Amino acid sequence: KAGVTQTPRYLIKTRGQQVTLSCSPISGHRSVSWYQQTPGQGLQFLFEYFSETQRNKGNFPGRFSGRQFSNSRSEMNVSTLELGDSALYLCASSSEMTGYNEQFFGPGTRLTVL
Amino acid sequence: GQNIDQPTEMTATEGAIVQINCTYQTSGFNGLFWYQQHAGEAPTFLSYNVLDGLEEKGRFSSFLSRSKGYSYLLLKELQMKDSASYLCAVRENDYKLSFGAGTTVTVRA
Repeated sequence: KAGVTQTPRYLIKTRGQQVTLSCSPISGHRSVSWYQQTPGQGLQFLFEYFSETQRNKGNFPGRFSGRQFSNSRSEMNVSTLELGDSALYLCASSSEMTGYNEQFFGPGTRLTVL
Repeated sequence: GQNIDQPTEMTATEGAIVQINCTYQTSGFNGLFWYQQHAGEAPTFLSYNVLDGLEEKGRFSSFLSRSKGYSYLLLKELQMKDSASYLCAVRENDYKLSFGAGTTVTVRA
């Protein structure tokens, strides 16, 4: 079974631009969560999608948004990029097979904002 | 919100045992998780505790005391490949998952 995939793996943008990151969960996984990881703040929860609906949201500004498609693939968008948005963005999927207790992480997208 | 504390770094010798403690404060507890993250890689799931007690899985064990807001991850028979960051995470009743800053374990030969 293929793991969680994320595209692109690396991205360089400049302040003020916007970016869209993509995540394809493991086949059959309906829950997709997004996280931001930085050396200073660690892993922080952005939001979770389940069956195309946002089920949970972390404490991030409205510039961070996401969506999930009917095939469970998810995208997250960051508008008006700031230098502080430079981070590793990870998505993770889970399924009812493990009671949604075990999250499988993708390799992440490394975003650099100049 | 969450307040999750775990030590920043720990060092141990190959073959030894290391215990990583995690304390947390939460208004609505719905599970505690441990993840392992090697440098430059994504986190991988190690364990899940929702009831008090010890969960053993091979060389790794995880313990939970809900009344004390306390968990530990026990790594036995340490191997060089166990050098990694270990993340404690707490899930609340709304299913939000919050991670601690992580404990970097260095295994020396």
